[in-house]
Amino acid sequence: DAGVIQSPRHEVTEMGQEVTLRCKPISGHDYLFWYRQTMMRGLELLIYFNNNVPIDDSGMPEDRFSAKMPNASFSTLKIQPSEPRDSAVYFCASSLTSTGVDGYTFGSGTRLTVV
Amino acid sequence: AQTVTQSQPEMSVQEAETVTLSCTYDTSESDYYLFWYKQPPSRQMILVIRQEAYKQQNATENRFSVNFQKAAKSFSLKISDSQLGDAAMYFCAYRSLYNTDKLIFGTGTRLQVFP
Repeated sequence: DAGVIQSPRHEVTEMGQEVTLRCKPISGHDYLFWYRQTMMRGLELLIYFNNNVPIDDSGMPEDRFSAKMPNASFSTLKIQPSEPRDSAVYFCASSLTSTGVDGYTFGSGTRLTVV
Repeated sequence: AQTVTQSQPEMSVQEAETVTLSCTYDTSESDYYLFWYKQPPSRQMILVIRQEAYKQQNATENRFSVNFQKAAKSFSLKISDSQLGDAAMYFCAYRSLYNTDKLIFGTGTRLQVFP
């Protein structure tokens, strides 16, 4: 398996523009998570899905952020409009089991810079 | 709510020596999972080692081992025979057995390895 695949690896955009981050989880994994990593706040869970259904989006910072999972093999995180404070590394992770023992498998992250 | 604390923002070790990274956590649950993740400069999050709380035996993976003290809620990572490739950020993480969806991370410890 190729692991969790995220695209793009880097994204530079201007303030006010729409940004879409993409994630392909490991085949068969039924949980998908979106995390944001910054120096100030560390790793923050934004939202997660189980069987394509959003379970907890309490970590989504504002209405400017939205996430979808239209099928088991694809998810997007969208920011519209983007702001400089959204600059961070965004990770997608997936998990096979709900028993917790396996932890997560992470993608390589998308480094977002909003100028 | 569970919390994870890593009190050492930075640590350093000489090649071939041993280093221990500290992690404490707070929970009212009796069963849970603990993990150490490594994040090298490539920013890929890599699972290093895991521990089930119901197991008294400390987990070991090659040069990596943990000292799990359940009563003290302590979960330290020992790296033996340190190598230059061990230089990275290390994150301690907690996952509940009951609410198994969320992985709660500490703030990380940056490990430097000197030749």
